[in-house]
Amino acid sequence: DSGVTQTPKHLITATGQRVTLRCSPRSGDLSVYWYQQSLDQGLQFLIQYYNGEERAKGNILERFSAQQFPDLHSELNLSSLELGDSALYFCASSVEIDTQYFGPGTRLTVL
Amino acid sequence: DQQVKQNSPSLSVQEGRISILNCDYTNSMFDYFLWYKKYPAEGPTFLISISSIKDKNEDGRFTVFLNKSAKHLSLHIVPSQPGDSAVYFCAARNSGYALNFGKGTSLLVTP
Repeated sequence: DSGVTQTPKHLITATGQRVTLRCSPRSGDLSVYWYQQSLDQGLQFLIQYYNGEERAKGNILERFSAQQFPDLHSELNLSSLELGDSALYFCASSVEIDTQYFGPGTRLTVL
Repeated sequence: DQQVKQNSPSLSVQEGRISILNCDYTNSMFDYFLWYKKYPAEGPTFLISISSIKDKNEDGRFTVFLNKSAKHLSLHIVPSQPGDSAVYFCAARNSGYALNFGKGTSLLVTP
C-alpha cells in the first residue's frame, strides 16, 4: 500500500459526459501528479500540482483539467468524453522532487 | 516522441537465475532514473532509483546500472523469484518533475 488513494476504482460512462477522478496523496506529500495509461502505452504524464498550484503540464487535453485543494487532495476533471479517453488514470504523490508513489488507479471506460 | 524505450516487451527467466531488464533513453538532460514494478489491477510500485552522478545502486536482490555515455540503464534481479513476475517500467526525470516512462517489460519467472 503506497498510501495514495484514488476513487472511484472503476468508472463507466458514455461519450460526451463529464467525470471527476479523485486522489488523496500520502500524508505530508505536497506534490500530486496525474498520469494516463492507454492500451499498449506507457504512462503519459498529464499534469502536476504542488501545494495547490499548477507546476507542470504534459500532454493534457484542453477537455481535461485538474486542481489541488487546500487539504492537498486533487481532482482530475475529464469532459466531453470520447471513446479514446478510455484508459487507466493514475495519481502519484511525492515530497518535492523525490520518488513518486502511485495510487491504485481509476479505470475509465467510455462507451 | 518516446524518450525512454524498453525494447523487450517480455522476458522469461527460470527461478534462481538472473533477470536483466534493459532501458534506453534519448534525452541527455535526464538526471534521475527509476524502476517501477506493476502487477495487474494495481498502481506502479517504486522499486529502485539511481541518480545520474552514480553508475550503480543496489538494494537487496535488485541492482540498477547506469551507463550515461550509452544512455542505457539496466535492472538486475538476482536471484529471480516467481513473485517477481510483473511488468517493469523504466522511468526518467529531467530538471522538471514529470517522469517519462517506457512502455514496460513483462517479466515471467518460472519455477
